Amino acid sequence: EDQVTQSPEALRLQEGESSSLNCSYTVSGLRGLFWYRQDPGKGPEFLFTLYSAGEEKEKERLKATLTKKESFLHITAPKPEDSATYLCAVGAGGTSYGKLTFGQGTILTVHP
Amino acid sequence: NAGVTQTPKFQVLKTGQSMTLQCAQDMNHEYMSWYRQDPGMGLRLIHYSVGAGITDQGEVPNGYNVSRSTTEDFPLRLLSAAPSQTSVYFCASSSLFGLAGSYEQYFGPGTRLTVT
Repeated sequence: EDQVTQSPEALRLQEGESSSLNCSYTVSGLRGLFWYRQDPGKGPEFLFTLYSAGEEKEKERLKATLTKKESFLHITAPKPEDSATYLCAVGAGGTSYGKLTFGQGTILTVHP
Repeated sequence: NAGVTQTPKFQVLKTGQSMTLQCAQDMNHEYMSWYRQDPGMGLRLIHYSVGAGITDQGEVPNGYNVSRSTTEDFPLRLLSAAPSQTSVYFCASSSLFGLAGSYEQYFGPGTRLTVT
């Protein structure tokens, strides 16, 4: 069974204090690892797709990396507007077509 | 380009009532899906479709029906609402092509449903 575990559950940072969020996964036939941002009362907003170990992608203050067992979302010099829940998900062949398996999310709070 | 839209945003039902949650996308995506999001359970797949006239069950399909008559629309029907269906429902869509295929999904804003 595909599994995704995110840590920590919650993270509080001061503005400018860089940190990383972790996403560990076990999956058969990885079709992609996905990072989403979700604001309260909103739908998940797509951030990144990573396909293979060693891949990295960046967007503003966010950088996502992938190994064979985990992914990291690095946040450099965060701002209060980066506060949100960050979700990690995997897509795997052999399960329901297009089914994403999500982690529980990391709630990030950035204080000014 | 509105992306994925959902209506209504909020809904309160009584046990046994039926209703339809609407979902539409303007990205010409072949793949559409419905998820529910519950505290401690994360997002779980209810039903999905790979094109007009083609639907299939996901992880938690019981109590829900779907149909897909057009590329743009993918409504979710609750046949006889139960308190266990209280949740936030998200519709998502994706192209079937590209490296990630149907897995790189874009989500709508959600419908918050309460069943009393």
